[in-house]
Amino acid sequence: AQKITQTQPGMFVQEKEAVTLDCTYDTSDPSYGLFWYKQPSSGEMIFLIYQGSYDQQNATEGRYSLNFQKARKSANLVISASQLGDSAMYFCAMREGVNTGTASKLTFGTGTRLQVTL
Amino acid sequence: DAGVTQSPTHLIKTRGQQVTLRCSPISGHKSVSWYQQVLGQGPQFIFQYYEKEERGRGNFPDRFSARQFPNYSSELNVNALLLGDSALYLCASRRGGGEYEQYFGPGTRLTVT
Repeated sequence: AQKITQTQPGMFVQEKEAVTLDCTYDTSDPSYGLFWYKQPSSGEMIFLIYQGSYDQQNATEGRYSLNFQKARKSANLVISASQLGDSAMYFCAMREGVNTGTASKLTFGTGTRLQVTL
Repeated sequence: DAGVTQSPTHLIKTRGQQVTLRCSPISGHKSVSWYQQVLGQGPQFIFQYYEKEERGRGNFPDRFSARQFPNYSSELNVNALLLGDSALYLCASRRGGGEYEQYFGPGTRLTVT
C-alpha cells in the first residue's frame, strides 16, 4: 500500500488566491512526522513545513500552513496569496519512528505540479 | 549559514563505470541521508548516516555504498553503473536528536549512457 498518496498530479491557481494541495498517509506507527517540500525546475528540494504526530497545533510558516487531520490521516498543504514564484512541484513526505536508526528516512509521494497564473 | 552542498552538479558516465558523489551537510548537522530521484517520481531513500555510522538503508543493490567522514561530510559510491541509475541524487542533512527537519542540497544529476 502507498504510504503517501498525492492524488492531484497538477493544479492551477490564480495569483493572490489560496490553494490546497492534498496528501494522505498510511502508518501504524504512533510517532511520525509529515513534511512538505517544494521542488522548482532547478531540482533542489526546499523544505517548507513540518508537522509532528503529537503536535497539538497545525504547523504554519509564513504563507504555508499544514491542515493536519489525524483521524483522516491527511496532511494538506495550504498556500495563501499565491505568487508566480510558487509554480513548482510539491512533495509530501513522512518519517516514521522516534530516534531510531531510520528516523531520517523519508517516504515521498508522487508530487503535485502547481502552476500559478496571472 | 551555508546550506547543504553537493558535487559535482552534473555527471555523465558510461555503463559499467563507477561514480562517487559528495555531500557536505549544514554546519552542526550530524546526519546525512541520500536519495535517488528518477524523472517524474518522488525521491527514494538510499542511505542514512549518523555520527559516521550507517543507520538506515533503502531497497537498493549492493552496488550502492556510502560513508560518512569525521567532519560529517559524506560520499555515495555506485559501482557497475546501469542505464537505470540515471537520476538526480539528493543529499539531505539533519541536526539529529529530536530535530527532524531535513534540508536538501541541490543534487547531482547523473546520466548513464
